[in-house]
Formats: sequence, C-alpha cells, structure tokens
Amino acid sequence: LAKTTQPISMDSYEGQEVNITCSHNNIATNDYITWYQQFPSQGPRFIIQGYKTKVTNEVASLFIPADRKSSTLSLPRVSLSDTAVYYCLVGDRYNAGNMLTFGGGTRLMVKP
Amino acid sequence: KAGVTQTPRYLIKTRGQQVTLSCSPISGHRSVSWYQQTPGQGLQFLFEYFSETQRNKGNFPGRFSGRQFSNSRSEMNVSTLELGDSALYLCASSLSITANNEQFFGPGTRLTVL
Repeated sequence: LAKTTQPISMDSYEGQEVNITCSHNNIATNDYITWYQQFPSQGPRFIIQGYKTKVTNEVASLFIPADRKSSTLSLPRVSLSDTAVYYCLVGDRYNAGNMLTFGGGTRLMVKP
Repeated sequence: KAGVTQTPRYLIKTRGQQVTLSCSPISGHRSVSWYQQTPGQGLQFLFEYFSETQRNKGNFPGRFSGRQFSNSRSEMNVSTLELGDSALYLCASSLSITANNEQFFGPGTRLTVL
C-alpha cells in the first residue's frame, strides 16, 4: 500500500478556504485516493474519494494532478466545526479489500 | 437508515481478562472491518470480514480474533488483555469490497485495561 505524507497540523480562520496536500509518490495504477475526517472520540467519516483530475461534492473538492503523486483536499469557507483530524488514504480497495491504512493525519484547527 | 452501532461504548477490564466487542453494520452492508486507535500508534487495521470470511488481517498478535455472522454482525475478541490493549476500537461497514466503496465507521468502543 502506498505511503502517504501530510502536514501534521494546520491553522486557519473561519470563512477561509483550507487546502491540505498529501504526497503519495508510490501510488499504484489501481489505487484510489480517499480522505476521511475524524472528530475526537468518534469514528472517521468519509469526505471524498477520487482517482484523477478533480472531484467535488457538497462538502469538499479533491484535486489530483496528472501524475497522481499528490492530492489536495480543499475545504471552502471553513467553520469552527471543521476543526478535526483529516486523513489521506491511498489504496486499491478491490485487492486490499477494506483494509485502510491510515497515516498520521493533519490536525486542522479553525479559529474564530 | 441507522448507522453502524457498536456495543458496549465503554469497557473497563483488568490484565489477563478477555473481552468481546460487537458491531452491527448498516443494513445491507456485508463487509465489516475493525481498527484499533491509540494516541501512540494512530489508527491501525485489525481485520476485515466479508460474507462471514476473513479477507484481510493486520499485524496483530493471535490474541486478537474476530468473526462475522450470517446477518453480517461482527464480533472481535481480545484474550489475555494487556495494558497496551487500551484503545478505541472502531468498526466500519461497507456494501461490498469493490474499489471506491465508502466505509462507514461506528462511534467505537473505548476499552481501558487496568
């Protein structure tokens, strides 16, 4: 499974756009990129998943360059409730089943 | 639709005891995975079950075991508890095992070993 590298922590202010970048140099052809959000004492929550280019849903956008060696999670206009740990995961869901490999995650602190 | 439920939510045990944790997946979901989360090691994969069969197993000792029933509910068991087993144990379910399947996590069971 590809190893991921993310910043340990980030600070932002309410209303700003936050971009969290994840490096995954050894990503394989069949790997998908998935982001999860976790609040203290809760299970992770799926945010978004993509394979290439750009994916957007109601809460975030995911930008993946052509070489797929990195990805950027974009959170528009964050609020205090977006304070959480964000995990980037890379893996072949079919061959690896549902065995997710979590890295250290990025602790996002949103300030008023 | 009800989410993933885990019981009990909190548990206190002593060293040497054993414990069984339960997970009920979202209705219709056939895959259940278990994870251990500790401050030092982060989130680590324990094992995954699909249609009552273990598909993948993480790097944990044999004291950690699990099973899945025909209704997709799953249990995990830890025998001969050690202090280091204190952790948040998370269960996740998904529809199947194909690529880009979203996993839904439960609230976890907080296990404290004294």
